[in-house]
Amino acid sequence: QTVVTQEPSFSVSPGGTVTLTCGLSSGSVSTSHHPSWYQQTPGQAPRTLMYRINIRSSGVPGRFSGSILGNKAALTITGAQADDESDYYCALYGGGGIWVFGGGTKLTVL
Amino acid sequence: QVQLQESGPGLVKPSETLSLTCSVSGDSITGYYWSWIRQPAGKGLECIGRIYSSGSADYKPSLKSRVTMSVDTSKNHFSLRLTSVTAADTAVYYCARLAATGPSDKNAFDIWGRGTVVTVSS
Repeated sequence: QTVVTQEPSFSVSPGGTVTLTCGLSSGSVSTSHHPSWYQQTPGQAPRTLMYRINIRSSGVPGRFSGSILGNKAALTITGAQADDESDYYCALYGGGGIWVFGGGTKLTVL
Repeated sequence: QVQLQESGPGLVKPSETLSLTCSVSGDSITGYYWSWIRQPAGKGLECIGRIYSSGSADYKPSLKSRVTMSVDTSKNHFSLRLTSVTAADTAVYYCARLAATGPSDKNAFDIWGRGTVVTVSS
């Protein structure tokens, strides 16, 4: 069973840079896991930010970037803004046609 | 642009069957995978499964015995049935398009519905 790990919470100052990670309880994240990232604010549906590791969805600002860092997928926000304060979820392909989400990272901008 | 809209009862009794439909507008349902994702209050996202427009489906193993997804291309919608529900099935249920038809595809959930709240309670 695929278990996807994310930091439960993170804090960043306005204008600062933060990197959120997405790992596996066992093994390394690779391109074959098709990492994608989603942003969710309270009461709203998730918004797709990033797919295929580092391709931004339409309308996503350039301050968001994706990568593989070591054995994890990563989402970096460079020049964080107040409205980036959200929950961020990654999803990885777990095999058998099923995608698995991480537990989410609650990002605070203050 | 493509839009998804979930519909179905907001309240289901324990042990009964949860049934939801996701209506797709702005494009044909044909040629894509479609998924159901749920989120209990205050918790994370859980992918229940996916169904291709041909009707071929994959389900999360822990839910497989209770889940059935179906697609109706004539109505451009797809559906979820979850049997023998308990309070643990109380959640916001989202439908989403899963763009994953090949290695060069996005391989991500690229379009989401607004979600519908389903409460399991007597």
